[in-house]
Amino acid sequence: AQKVTQAQTEISVVEKEDVTLDCVYETRDTTYYLFWYKQPPSGELVFLIRRNSFDEQNEISGRYSWNFQKSTSSFNFTITASQVVDSAVYFCALHGSGNTGKLIFGQGTTLQVKP
Amino acid sequence: EPEVTQTPSHQVTQMGQEVILRCVPISNHLYFYWYRQILGQKVEFLVSFYNNEISEKSEIFDDQFSVERPDGSNFTLKIRSTKLEDSAMYFCASSAHRTTGKANQPQHFGDGTRLSIL
Repeated sequence: AQKVTQAQTEISVVEKEDVTLDCVYETRDTTYYLFWYKQPPSGELVFLIRRNSFDEQNEISGRYSWNFQKSTSSFNFTITASQVVDSAVYFCALHGSGNTGKLIFGQGTTLQVKP
Repeated sequence: EPEVTQTPSHQVTQMGQEVILRCVPISNHLYFYWYRQILGQKVEFLVSFYNNEISEKSEIFDDQFSVERPDGSNFTLKIRSTKLEDSAMYFCASSAHRTTGKANQPQHFGDGTRLSIL
């Protein structure tokens, strides 16, 4: 069975703090894909990153960075120098190679960045 | 940049009524999906659609639900007889590929239709 766990339900930080959102996944597939989406208060889902299981290189995009560790089945997301506009719900999602394209989402982490 | 378009943005319907949620996927995409998000909860997969047929559906997608691609541009989700528990945000998504074995194309999501059942 495939599963995504985001153990942190809510995180609250003060602006300019760094924050890491945890994501742990379960899959038996050897090839799979991991995603992060942002859901701001307006409700839409904003794609942030896709990572393939055979590419363990960490990625940085501006203030965002992702740490993919196959050994611990984790795909954590760090926001450096957080800003109020980062306040949103963040979802980690998994796509297995053998299925029909569906994404399996975690429960989401609500991030509140206070000024 | 091309977008997935969903209409209406908010739909209010009486319990027991039929409702049709509409989506216009990105034009060269081949795979289409519906997801549901009950308020405050995670996004849940409902159904995937490819080559004019359902390729996978979840337990949520029971006989009350159906999908259709009536023409070359629209992709609809119909709920035949709505229940209170159908109240949720419904997201349509599309992608160019399911998986290429190289780099999976991300699914592009619409902004969602908020369905409220009274």
